Amino acid sequence: ETGVTQSPTHLIKTRGQQVTLRCSSQSGHNTVSWYQQALGQGPQFIFQYYREEENGRGNFPPRFSGLQFPNYSSELNVNALELDDSALYLCASSLAGTDTYEQYFGPGTRLTVT
Amino acid sequence: EDQVTQSPEALRLQEGESSSLNCSYTVSGLRGLFWYRQDPGKGPEFLFTLYSAGEEKEKERLKATLTKKESFLHITAPKPEDSATYLCAVKGGYQKVTFGTGTKLQVIP
Repeated sequence: ETGVTQSPTHLIKTRGQQVTLRCSSQSGHNTVSWYQQALGQGPQFIFQYYREEENGRGNFPPRFSGLQFPNYSSELNVNALELDDSALYLCASSLAGTDTYEQYFGPGTRLTVT
Repeated sequence: EDQVTQSPEALRLQEGESSSLNCSYTVSGLRGLFWYRQDPGKGPEFLFTLYSAGEEKEKERLKATLTKKESFLHITAPKPEDSATYLCAVKGGYQKVTFGTGTKLQVIP
């Protein structure tokens, strides 16, 4: 069984730029959620994708957008980067349609905005 | 809005000194309460899911319990390798999972 993978591991961007982060879900999982985790804080829900459509969104502005592909992998895109976007971005996969809601996380992408 | 509060923020234990971490929550229509372990710079590692009050789950030195308002993570005879941040999260009727800020546990040999 393949776990959740994310790329890149680390990324440094300048304020105003755009960034794309990638996630491959665990084998057998069809749902991907993205989280932002600032230093010393718990993960904050950005959005979830199921069947290639956004299926729930947290309190994040529209410049945070995403995609899910037919193989269930996903991208997180952030436009017009701000300094406060510096954080660990986590991807979690799960299997929809079951009575469990367990999510399995990838190792994260550390984004630094200067 | 769903809320999760974890206490204490940090806990320092001697090896073998048992203790409990607390997670208080408010959620509309609890679908599940989750415990995760997170090591520095890494993604959270799934530990347990609890679904209803009275439920208990165990894994090695960890035992999680659930009431209608809070959950406890009991750590029995901890070892230095148990040092990590422990995160609690809840899922309500919406797709969103809400996390607490975590308890940073340090176990001293």
